[in-house]
Formats: sequence, C-alpha cells, structure tokens
Amino acid sequence: DAGVIQSPRHEVTEMGQEVTLRCKPISGHNSLFWYRQTMMRGLELLIYFNNNVPIDDSGMPEDRFSAKMPNASFSTLKIQPSEPRDSAVYFCASSYRDRGEQYFGPGTRLTVT
Amino acid sequence: AQSVSQHNHHVILSEAASLELGCNYSYGGTVNLFWYVQYPGQHLQLLLKYFSGDPLVKGIKGFEAEFIKSKFSFNLRKPSVQWSDTAEYFCATKGTGANNLFFGTGTRLTVIP
Repeated sequence: DAGVIQSPRHEVTEMGQEVTLRCKPISGHNSLFWYRQTMMRGLELLIYFNNNVPIDDSGMPEDRFSAKMPNASFSTLKIQPSEPRDSAVYFCASSYRDRGEQYFGPGTRLTVT
Repeated sequence: AQSVSQHNHHVILSEAASLELGCNYSYGGTVNLFWYVQYPGQHLQLLLKYFSGDPLVKGIKGFEAEFIKSKFSFNLRKPSVQWSDTAEYFCATKGTGANNLFFGTGTRLTVIP
C-alpha cells in the first residue's frame, strides 16, 4: 500500500493567494482527517470526514479555510486568501471505521510570505 | 471530554539510558490508547496501540506501554534508548463513539550519543 499521499510536499505562496492542498487516503479507509502543526500551537485537528461527509469542522480557523471530500479517494483543503500566519505543516491522515489508529501522510509544508 | 496529558515537555537522555514517558487520559469509559512518534522533519507514525486485553503492549523498535486503569495512565517505556530515538512522542486516545483521536501536547526526546 502506498500509504496516505499528499501533494504538494512544499508550497510557497504570497499573501492573498489561494492555496489548495490535496490528499489521497489509504484505499478502504473511510475516515479522513486534516491537521495543522506549528511550533506555537502544536498539532491541531482542523476537520474530519466519515464516509466523505464532514463530521467536525470546529477546528477550522476561519472562513478562509474550506475542505471537501468529493469521493472516497480524494480530499482538498483550500485556503483563500492565504495569510502569513497560515504557514505550517498540514497533515492528512486516514483510518478505517472505528479502529482508531490513524495513518498520516508526509505532510505539506506551507510557507506564506 | 476525552483528553490526554503528557507531563514531560522535553526529556534529555544519554544513549543506553532507560526511558519512561508519562501519559494520563481523562475518559472513564472504554478507551483506545495510542503512542505516535514523529522523527525530525517527518510525519507521525504509530508506535503502538491498546484496545483491550493484555495491558502491557509491545510496539515497534523495542517500545512498550502499560495500561493502568486505576491510574488512568498509559506510559511509554524503552529499556535502552538509542540516538535514533530522538523524536517527538505523542500520546493519543479515542473513546467509544468517537472517530477522532485526542492528542497530547507531545514530549520531545533528545538522546545524546
């Protein structure tokens, strides 16, 4: 299994630009999670999906952030417009049913200048 | 609400020393418990997990953890650390009915050669 796939691995953009991060979960997993990690705030859960349906988006910082999961094998996290404080590593993770253990992707390191 | 607390923020050990990292969970019901490791510049990887049964759980790379219900604890141990164990370690819990994990703030381990 290829594991969780994220793209791009690195993204550098200017303030005000739209950023789209992509994630392909492990095949057969039915839950998908988006996290953000920074030195200041640590690891934060932004949103998660069960069977492609958003369940809890209380961690999404503000309306500039949106996430979609159009099918079981693809999800996006979009930031529009981006700001320097959005600079972080964004991880996607997936899990199967109620098993609990999540498998993390390699992350996207986002830098907003 | 479900949560975990990790007592140590930064632990520094010499190679071959024994390791114990503390983790306490708050949920009184059935819990699933996990330890993850994040090597510098990498993503979180599952070290070990506890769902039920034998409270002493063995994971990868010589790590183990013991579930002590009376103490609400799930401490991570390794008898002899190596320089390559330098990483951040996260404890996490998942209660029944929830699909997401609740992560602790992490413990940074530095092993001095």
